[in-house]
Amino acid sequence: GQQLNQSPQSMFIQEGEDVSMNCTSSSIFNTWLWYKQDPGEGPVLLIALYKAGELTSNGRLTAQFGITRKDSFLNISASIPSDVGIYFCAGANTNAGKSTFGDGTTLTVKP
Amino acid sequence: ETGVTQSPTHLIKTRGQQVTLRCSSQSGHNTVSWYQQALGQGPQFIFQYYREEENGRGNFPPRFSGLQFPNYSSELNVNALELDDSALYLCASHPLAGYNKFSTDTQYFGPGTRLTVL
Repeated sequence: GQQLNQSPQSMFIQEGEDVSMNCTSSSIFNTWLWYKQDPGEGPVLLIALYKAGELTSNGRLTAQFGITRKDSFLNISASIPSDVGIYFCAGANTNAGKSTFGDGTTLTVKP
Repeated sequence: ETGVTQSPTHLIKTRGQQVTLRCSSQSGHNTVSWYQQALGQGPQFIFQYYREEENGRGNFPPRFSGLQFPNYSSELNVNALELDDSALYLCASHPLAGYNKFSTDTQYFGPGTRLTVL
């Protein structure tokens, strides 16, 4: 089946630094999604991408849909302590409810 | 908060038992998806229900079954529990226009049910 490789597995950064994480797939997706999950909660959508090559921003977050449709990256600029959490990429074809998720990048931000 | 609720919050069962988990979808959402999230991993798609019918299934055995009710709430049933079934079970809801229709609508997750199988 489809698998997503998400890297890095974890990151430890200083407050104010920029962060970059990415996701690659062995097969193409029509939609790439980035979620954040806090302890005890379900994932929350950060950014959704629907076209190859698309670059989308949400505040300090920027994500891109790779031109091959097999990869995506997420950047966070000027990190703050509340950015701590687990970030997941997900790919979907017909609808977001049938997403394939990566195994997450755990972000720790030191004040 | 997303408006998607799940019950119970936590559950402990023993191997071989059966379990039913419940999900109330967000108002206006006719589609519910269920995911299994093992510790340290991303959510894995179990199945999706649209208007009370299964609309796609992931790589899970038949002992994982589901229901959706006319009010769009949903249940996940797992029979003959195994130790590896211990996980966080998440449901997510979103609107959908039809079976296998492409949709750009966002899915909203509930907080999950933590199942422990001993």
